[in-house]
Amino acid sequence: NAGVTQTPKFRVLKTGQSMTLLCAQDMNHEYMYWYRQDPGMGLRLIHYSVGEGTTAKGEVPDGYNVSRLKKQNFLLGLESAAPSQTSVYFCASSYGTTGGSAKNIQYFGAGTRLSVL
Amino acid sequence: AQSVTQPDIHITVSEGASLELRCNYSYGATPYLFWYVQSPGQGLQLLLKYFSGDTLVQGIKGFEAEFKRSQSSFNLRKPSVHWSDAAEYFCAVIGSSNTGKLIFGQGTTLQVKP
Repeated sequence: NAGVTQTPKFRVLKTGQSMTLLCAQDMNHEYMYWYRQDPGMGLRLIHYSVGEGTTAKGEVPDGYNVSRLKKQNFLLGLESAAPSQTSVYFCASSYGTTGGSAKNIQYFGAGTRLSVL
Repeated sequence: AQSVTQPDIHITVSEGASLELRCNYSYGATPYLFWYVQSPGQGLQLLLKYFSGDTLVQGIKGFEAEFKRSQSSFNLRKPSVHWSDAAEYFCAVIGSSNTGKLIFGQGTTLQVKP
């Protein structure tokens, strides 16, 4: 059982280049999330999805786009990378439900370390 | 606005000593709270969670946390720290029960002295 898998693990981009980060989960989860982690700031939500074909903005969405064409995959795109997007990116997923429930527990991937020069 | 504060950026304890990591939250409704641990170069692993009921919750690896509504706190404790506990610890609250979005604290880095 792989859980949440992120590819690639590392990437170096030049300013202005584009790339797509892939997140795949094999737990049949409805909800998926993209976070970025920066020193001293914890994790901040970029975009999220509450089901196949749906996406919504999180706390720091500017410069990113997402797509959820298949339930198991959640893609994060950078159209024109900037040095400010140098960060570690985490994908997470959960069954998703209202209220407090174990189904709201998010499971995280191992992360993608991105450097933009 | 909803927020989570971890007042201690870095904490150093000796192996075998007790540990308490502080977490304060600001959330208007019933908070659903989590502690995650991140080892170097790894993803986040859930240590424990609080949804309702008993305010003292037990987690993995010998950790526990106590929810205190009057103090808006959810502090993490361990009676005796092991060298393998060195990691970064994050407290988080669900910011929206409809979407399950997590709001994280800034994180506390734990160093363990031999």
